[in-house]
Amino acid sequence: DQQVKQNSPSLSVQEGRISILNCDYTNSMFDYFLWYKKYPAEGPTFLISISSIKDKNEDGRFTVFLNKSAKHLSLHIVPSQPGDSAVYFCAASGGGGTSYGKLTFGQGTILTVHP
Amino acid sequence: NAGVTQTPKFRVLKTGQSMTLLCAQDMNHEYMYWYRQDPGMGLRLIHYSVGEGTTAKGEVPDGYNVSRLKKQNFLLGLESAAPSQTSVYFCASRSHTTGYGYTFGSGTRLTVV
Repeated sequence: DQQVKQNSPSLSVQEGRISILNCDYTNSMFDYFLWYKKYPAEGPTFLISISSIKDKNEDGRFTVFLNKSAKHLSLHIVPSQPGDSAVYFCAASGGGGTSYGKLTFGQGTILTVHP
Repeated sequence: NAGVTQTPKFRVLKTGQSMTLLCAQDMNHEYMYWYRQDPGMGLRLIHYSVGEGTTAKGEVPDGYNVSRLKKQNFLLGLESAAPSQTSVYFCASRSHTTGYGYTFGSGTRLTVV
């Protein structure tokens, strides 16, 4: 049972336009959400996160939105740049102290930004 | 600044062989994790450790064993490799006091033939 789902395997956008990556989750115990970016032959790197007490978090060109009632979050990249081309993973954590920071990851979305 | 180092980076095993993947971190992190990445499956947690001498099972622990004899090292063992264990393995660590952002290693690509 996939508790975190990224239903779009790939996304292609033009340089300078907005990229929107989506993520859905089913476990209502999740209370912290993260996005990771991964280049080929490298490990994932942390991009941005959001706590369940917020509905938006912004960091430069990256904004994450959380809709708890819909159990949905999204990552907006504005403006998109060719260097943003990578695999993006959504991840979630929760369950209080016994979760020990374990993350549940989505399947990933391959973003391609064309010059 | 090394961060998280995984060795080896690549390995080909025959079915039934054994091997150990090593993860070393120099950030004094308490928590360490082993994930595997498969196409269409994302990253799935194999085992994790919340401190030296402790280990626990994750989502897909079968066929793997782990040990954390020293705080900086987390070893993942395959006693009898199977083709289903062909995957890319990632180790990660984080501090238990500074949020959920993991630091990942660069991965080990394992092929079992």
